[in-house]
Amino acid sequence: GAGVSQSPSNKVTEKGKDVELRCDPISGHTALYWYRQSLGQGLEFLIYFQGNSAPDKSGLPSDRFSAERTGGSVSTLTIQRTQQEDSAVYLCASTRGTNTEAFFGQGTRLTVV
Amino acid sequence: DAKTTQPTSMDCAEGRAANLPCNHSTISGNEYVYWYRQIHSQGPQYIIHGLKNNETNEMASLIITEDRKSSTLILPHATLRDTAVYYCIVREYTGAQKLVFGQGTRLTINP
Repeated sequence: GAGVSQSPSNKVTEKGKDVELRCDPISGHTALYWYRQSLGQGLEFLIYFQGNSAPDKSGLPSDRFSAERTGGSVSTLTIQRTQQEDSAVYLCASTRGTNTEAFFGQGTRLTVV
Repeated sequence: DAKTTQPTSMDCAEGRAANLPCNHSTISGNEYVYWYRQIHSQGPQYIIHGLKNNETNEMASLIITEDRKSSTLILPHATLRDTAVYYCIVREYTGAQKLVFGQGTRLTINP
């Protein structure tokens, strides 16, 4: 596709349920980033992938959060036992190299009720 | 933590140049200055980046002071569609460096 694709665009889940958020980066982009943006706040870094490995997981807020990337392409962010404070827009970005511009998807709006 | 400081908000009249300042007094020699913007309910969009020379592209111009401790993003003829939050970010050139977003400047273009 032409850009970074994220799915679903919106997700409403009950507290305590697990959710999976998907990111399809731009073809050929080796680096992939996950960010979180709470209402009215700036972007909070979660995790970074280079290929299938994650050299920087420093932003994951708790062990309920995990992410993987397979085939150097699609990435999945999983949140287990969701809490209301997990409600936010989750954004994915990809870059062709380590110092090239990042292209962001439109995000997944997660609402935990 | 973000290494930049920006005004919280700014206003500009449509058709005029919008000049957005950014302070990055602790920038190191191998760090670039990046600008992104986020229009309401969309993902951030890359605008421009530079090291020490002034840069210009189809969207904007970036003016970096000689000591590199501050920069200004210039939108030469602002339109209503330029209303957004503008983020100034410093990032190392080498290695896998994440973009660290601060709170940015909320720019409002007025008709």
